Amino acid sequence: EVQLVESGGGLVQPGGSLRVSCAASGFTFNSYWMSWVRQAPGKGLEWVASIKQDESEKYYVDSVKGRFAISRDNAKNTLHLQMNSLRAEDTAVYYCARPVWGPETRGAFVYWGQGALVTVSS
Amino acid sequence: EIVLTQSPGTLSLSPGERATLSCRASQSIIRYYLAWYQQKPGQAPRLLFYGASSRATGIPDRFSGSGSGTDFTLTISRLEPEDFAVYYCQQYGSSPWTFGQGTKVEIK
Repeated sequence: EVQLVESGGGLVQPGGSLRVSCAASGFTFNSYWMSWVRQAPGKGLEWVASIKQDESEKYYVDSVKGRFAISRDNAKNTLHLQMNSLRAEDTAVYYCARPVWGPETRGAFVYWGQGALVTVSS
Repeated sequence: EIVLTQSPGTLSLSPGERATLSCRASQSIIRYYLAWYQQKPGQAPRLLFYGASSRATGIPDRFSGSGSGTDFTLTISRLEPEDFAVYYCQQYGSSPWTFGQGTKVEIK
């Protein structure tokens, strides 16, 4: 059974840093692109970042470029999102997501974690 | 950036009725790289379709996805009580990958 379990969410002050992680199991982690998608309270979905299997490619939404860093540890089947210079507008549930298997489906997310709530407030 | 506009914002229907949800893109989406998701309150999204019309595993056949270029449609042939939810389209053909703002299907 595929499982994605996020951790590391919490309350942080504006300008602060936080790292959320996603522990993956039930599939061959190093065979898949992985992504983070967020959802602000009461709002829609926003893709945040994606990383290739070997970390050779990373992509970010413009609003987080230079502040967030996606990484992965294939030996530990874990995905990370390091978030720096946090702003109030980064407040959201952060989901870890795995795509459908295939070379052309890396952005179609079939498995999602339960989400980690990140609240940026003073 | 490709902007996805979903319509209507809210669809009020009764169980058994047909639901037609639209997703229009600001520019043509590469190679049908369009997905649909269903989300219920307090839950993660659930993938319904990818590649515009490829049904994800376990999705009932009352759901269908169609379209190409800039116009895509999600159809629910006969609404079941569990289908009342928010539906999002998403394009993954051009970075940044983007989602529509969602269509809420509510019980009339």
